[in-house]
Amino acid sequence: DGGITQSPKYLFRKEGQNVTLSCEQNLNHDAMYWYRQDPGQGLRLIYYSQIVNDFQKGDIAEGYSVSREKKESFPLTVTSAQKNPTAFYLCASSQNRGNLPRATNYGYTFGSGTRLTVV
Amino acid sequence: AQSVAQPEDQVNVAEGNPLTVKCTYSVSGNPYLFWYVQYPNRGLQFLLKYITGDNLVKGSYGFEAEFNKSQTSFHLKKPSALVSDSALYFCAVRGLGMSSGYSTLTFGKGTMLLVSP
Repeated sequence: DGGITQSPKYLFRKEGQNVTLSCEQNLNHDAMYWYRQDPGQGLRLIYYSQIVNDFQKGDIAEGYSVSREKKESFPLTVTSAQKNPTAFYLCASSQNRGNLPRATNYGYTFGSGTRLTVV
Repeated sequence: AQSVAQPEDQVNVAEGNPLTVKCTYSVSGNPYLFWYVQYPNRGLQFLLKYITGDNLVKGSYGFEAEFNKSQTSFHLKKPSALVSDSALYFCAVRGLGMSSGYSTLTFGKGTMLLVSP
């Protein structure tokens, strides 16, 4: 079955350590996204990528980095510069139809998330 | 800029009663509207979407939503709530059309629905 796989499900980070969250999709979607979820704040966009080898900052990109070397993969690195990294991280993907209205689905498919905790 | 407001942090309803979870939006161009549901420690699951056509959209698990352009609202509804409907619900919007440029999906802060037996 097609879908998005995030790993690991739980991740613990020590102070000053970089960690990388994995996101893989086999939906043949062009676009991929990373969101951060905190209680009472909803989902906030960290980075997104419309196409391989290209990505853009979202609303809260500071302290994070991404790469998009393959269509299927969009890993997120939480660097030591991110001062408050404890959160639930969600990866998503979608077809990239730009502004064309004739696409059948502009929706996102989400992974099951990674819970990151600083110890 | 596009935005979504979910004015209620929590909605409480008794099982068997109708439920409404409110959502209003702001977007350039025509809106593309979604509702998603999230269970604890899980990703978001798609419930329903509105692109164009009938203002009443039917989705998964008996949920429906009504698009009201004049009030810029997209409230989620269900005629008879179940205890198993208890979860966190997110409304989301994406602008369509040349005036929107490439836009990502913007989410509301979420509304916790609690259905009591």
